[in-house]
Amino acid sequence: QKEVEQNSGPLSVPEGAIASLNCTYSDRGSQSFFWYRQYSGKSPELIMSIYSNGDKEDGRFTAQLNKASQYVSLLIRDSQPSDSATYLCAVIWNSGGYQKVTFGTGTKLQVIP
Amino acid sequence: EAQVTQNPRYLITVTGKKLTVTCSQNMNHEYMSWYRQDPGLGLRQIYYSMNVEVTDKGDVPEGYKVSRKEKRNFPLILESPSPNQTSLYFCASSWTGANYGYTFGSGTRLTVV
Repeated sequence: QKEVEQNSGPLSVPEGAIASLNCTYSDRGSQSFFWYRQYSGKSPELIMSIYSNGDKEDGRFTAQLNKASQYVSLLIRDSQPSDSATYLCAVIWNSGGYQKVTFGTGTKLQVIP
Repeated sequence: EAQVTQNPRYLITVTGKKLTVTCSQNMNHEYMSWYRQDPGLGLRQIYYSMNVEVTDKGDVPEGYKVSRKEKRNFPLILESPSPNQTSLYFCASSWTGANYGYTFGSGTRLTVV
């Protein structure tokens, strides 16, 4: 089983600040990376995907990937109280020709008004 | 509305009493999967299905069964539930694999006493 590590938090940021969520992974051959947001008591919701090194921006969200360092991050600009949730990192890797996915245990984000 | 529908949302049962959790998707997705989510352990894959009549074990398949007779349905069967199967269960679907990101169902909270 491949490992995906996230700091469990909580990460507390004031409203309007940038929240930075980090994820490291063990499989150097991993190709695809996802961020899911999970509100308390709800199901995970896909918010970002990234496949190549560099930055990918979507609204207030930016995903950053560094395959050499085996590191993927999610930046949330102008954080809002509604961003308070647990953020799950998911990494896709290949096993015997099949795609497998490993989820991190998530980082809890608290945005303080 | 594109969605994954799970039923029931909540279930309390006794040890050894067979139960089925249903999952249905209306997006014509080929790939479906079951996960359980436990505190500190994150999302762990139970079983997945690449297409009709094609299923395979995930990371924690013991005590579970699945079937995929139709593309839209992927029920999870617990033939003889035990207390260690008390968990939050999610069904998820994707176009052809985890590499395209999941749509999750709303979850089933199962308690086995």
